[in-house]
Amino acid sequence: ILNVEQSPQSLHVQEGDSTNFTCSFPSSNFYALHWYRWETAKSPKALFVMTLNGDEKKKGRISATLNTKEGYSYLYIKGSQPEDSATYLCAFKDSGYALNFGKGTSLLVTP
Amino acid sequence: SAVISQKPSRDICQRGTSLTIQCQVDSQVTMMFWYRQQPGQSLTLIATANQGSEATYESGFVIDKFPISRPNLTFSTLTVSNMSPEDSSIYLCSVGRGHTDTQYFGPGTRLTVL
Repeated sequence: ILNVEQSPQSLHVQEGDSTNFTCSFPSSNFYALHWYRWETAKSPKALFVMTLNGDEKKKGRISATLNTKEGYSYLYIKGSQPEDSATYLCAFKDSGYALNFGKGTSLLVTP
Repeated sequence: SAVISQKPSRDICQRGTSLTIQCQVDSQVTMMFWYRQQPGQSLTLIATANQGSEATYESGFVIDKFPISRPNLTFSTLTVSNMSPEDSSIYLCSVGRGHTDTQYFGPGTRLTVL
């Protein structure tokens, strides 16, 4: 079992605040790090697939960084909006078929 | 990209019964995956379903408990057999190609076992 840890477990911010979450994963046998956004009763939606150490990816107000040598990734949300409320999952991919998920960070953004 | 639908979206079942979950993909895919998320836990891979061969189960999951069918390249079913309250989970199917490709998920089946 691969240990993928996410922190914090939950987060409550006000609209307009910027926030960030952490994902830590094994630093060996690394293939990719995936970030997903999961709203209740909907499909998890892919945000980023990151493969290279030092990689930074951005999509609108959301960005992510990757450090494969030390085994962590950060997800940043700038100027949070209520529609950003969701659970954010990271998943580590080694040479196997499975995505190894963390338990997620549950974000609530209130107006 | 891939669009995935699942049936049922949710169900409440009695202990000892079985439930079959269907997964339909809008394109042909070689590999389909079945995950579950128990309350407070991570999404965990149950098995990989390949068309034309037996499913491959992850450690801790067995075919008698979670039989899988994969009759063609767009469809799969997962049966949760002889259910107990510990089987209460969200079950998701997903598809993906390579290690660094996006994996797409269905909306999930929320199962409650009483």
